[in-house]
Amino acid sequence: DQQVKQNSPSLSVQEGRISILNCDYTNSMFDYFLWYKKYPAEGPTFLISISSIKDKNEDGRFTVFLNKSAKHLSLHIVPSQPGDSAVYFCAASEAGANNLFFGTGTRLTVIP
Amino acid sequence: NAGVTQTPKFRILKIGQSMTLQCTQDMNHNYMYWYRQDPGMGLKLIYYSVGAGITDKGEVPNGYNVSRSTTEDFPLRLELAAPSQTSVYFCASRPRRGFVYSNQPQHFGDGTRLSIL
Repeated sequence: DQQVKQNSPSLSVQEGRISILNCDYTNSMFDYFLWYKKYPAEGPTFLISISSIKDKNEDGRFTVFLNKSAKHLSLHIVPSQPGDSAVYFCAASEAGANNLFFGTGTRLTVIP
Repeated sequence: NAGVTQTPKFRILKIGQSMTLQCTQDMNHNYMYWYRQDPGMGLKLIYYSVGAGITDKGEVPNGYNVSRSTTEDFPLRLELAAPSQTSVYFCASRPRRGFVYSNQPQHFGDGTRLSIL
């Protein structure tokens, strides 16, 4: 039972354009959401997070949007760079819980 | 600044063998985690620990054991390796600040790729 879903296994974007990665969740008790980036043969690296009291969080080229009513979040990367090519995982947790639930990941390829 | 270190990076086991995956962190984090990632899937939590001497099960604990005798180390034990345990295993840690989980992302090691034949 996948509580966090990333329905697009892959995405290709031209360098300089916007990349939009999507994530849906089913558990209405989730209140903290994160995006991780993963390169081959490395562990996931934290990218950006958002709590359920916000609908947007920005950090440089990365912005995460949260739509609680739709149980949907998205990660925007502007402008996209070739070094952004990686697998991106969405993750979520309930308040006070110790475990994260991960999506299956989206492989982003930024074409120079 | 090593962060989270996992050893070994790769291992091939025969069915029925046992082994311990090592994880150590030098950030003085209270919380530590073990995940597995199967091909095309997200990470699933095996076990976690909120401090030395305290461990608890995650989503997929069957076939594994853990211990936490120090803050730094959190080894994962496979007693009777089975082909279904072929996976990439990630260890992670995070600090404890207050009672709210927010704003405390987990830091991951680079993983152990385990094949059981």
